[in-house]
Amino acid sequence: AQKITQTQPGMFVQEKEAVTLDCTYDTSDPSYGLFWYKQPSSGEMIFLIYQGSYDQQNATEGRYSLNFQKARKSANLVISASQLGDSAMYFCAMREGVGNKLVFGAGTILRVKS
Amino acid sequence: DAGVIQSPRHEVTEMGQEVTLRCKPISGHDYLFWYRQTMMRGLELLIYFNNNVPIDDSGMPEDRFSAKMPNASFSTLKIQPSEPRDSAVYFCASSWDTYGYTFGSGTRLTVV
Repeated sequence: AQKITQTQPGMFVQEKEAVTLDCTYDTSDPSYGLFWYKQPSSGEMIFLIYQGSYDQQNATEGRYSLNFQKARKSANLVISASQLGDSAMYFCAMREGVGNKLVFGAGTILRVKS
Repeated sequence: DAGVIQSPRHEVTEMGQEVTLRCKPISGHDYLFWYRQTMMRGLELLIYFNNNVPIDDSGMPEDRFSAKMPNASFSTLKIQPSEPRDSAVYFCASSWDTYGYTFGSGTRLTVV
């Protein structure tokens, strides 16, 4: 079964607008962590934001925020005020319980239009 | 801190040859991960170590793949013999807790 599902293969957004990238997850473990990474065309994996399963508040990091809906098992990434440099592949990932390994979704390609 | 260092950045080899990918994790990080990225399969975890000990190698495709971590500052992923279907980007990552994962720049392997 898919642990992490990203249903949007590709997204377009106009520069300066906000965009939401979807991520749903599947786990029966009460302790888990959710991550978003950005992979630009140069190929490196850049950490964006983290949400722990016990965190009460939604995580925010600058223009990035994570819309965490635990009951729905969703962890959508919101990018505000999109910039051309935000064009990249975005991956959602989950760490379950003990063990520390990250499982990744298939990714969403985001293109920011000027 | 120099981050996670992988070498080589690019490797082109002929089918049947042995390939060795190298990784130096961030000092103090006690977890090390090897991932493979392909268009068809996305990012797959191959193996990970904790304190130099392999914990989970269930993602290693077959016996042609092997990974070692002889000390806290060095790990290798070896493919012998290599096949065209092994062509991919191989990432090494390290972490010291359940939150702080850092990836290397990756090695792009092409097997012809």
